[in-house]
Amino acid sequence: QQQVKQSPQSLIVQKGGISIINCAYENTAFDYFPWYQQFPGKGPALLIAIRPDVSEKKEGRFTISFNKSAKQFSLHIMDSQPGDSATYFCAASSAAGNKLTFGGGTRVLVKP
Amino acid sequence: DTGVSQNPRHKITKRGQNVTFRCDPISEHNRLYWYRQTLGQGPEFLTYFQNEAQLEKSRLLSDRFSAERPKGSFSTLEIQRTEQGDSAMYLCASSDRTTYNEQFFGPGTRLTVL
Repeated sequence: QQQVKQSPQSLIVQKGGISIINCAYENTAFDYFPWYQQFPGKGPALLIAIRPDVSEKKEGRFTISFNKSAKQFSLHIMDSQPGDSATYFCAASSAAGNKLTFGGGTRVLVKP
Repeated sequence: DTGVSQNPRHKITKRGQNVTFRCDPISEHNRLYWYRQTLGQGPEFLTYFQNEAQLEKSRLLSDRFSAERPKGSFSTLEIQRTEQGDSAMYLCASSDRTTYNEQFFGPGTRLTVL
């Protein structure tokens, strides 16, 4: 059972554009929602994370928007750069288990 | 801070052989996690330790898989009688006692079973 659904599977954006990736979850016990960035052959790197007591969190060019009632959250990459070309994963965990449940990933390609 | 390290980075083995992977977490991190990632998919949880205690195991962790963290520092993941379906990237992550949810991943061990 896929508890975190991520879309789109792939995304092409022009340099300077905005990349938007969406995730939806089912388990209402989830209370921590991180995003990871992964380059080929590397492990996932923590990018930004949010808890459900806030609706938005911004760090540099990366913003998470969170909608608790809809059980959805999204990542916005502003001013996308070729170096942002990577696979992005949303994830979720609860205080009880702490294990991360990942979405299926979004492959982002930023064209110069 | 040297980050999470994993060895070997790549392992090629023949079906039926046993393999063992090692993970060294970030110093002072008391939680250590193992995940498996197949091509084009997100990582899937296998098991985790708090200090030396193994607190949870996924149903993905069949009887052929065993993980240990004997002194609460490094961990090993052993796969016995490997099968072609075991081919994947095996990822290790660690977190500390104050921010359990922030997990930092190592580079992974890519296993290929021929």
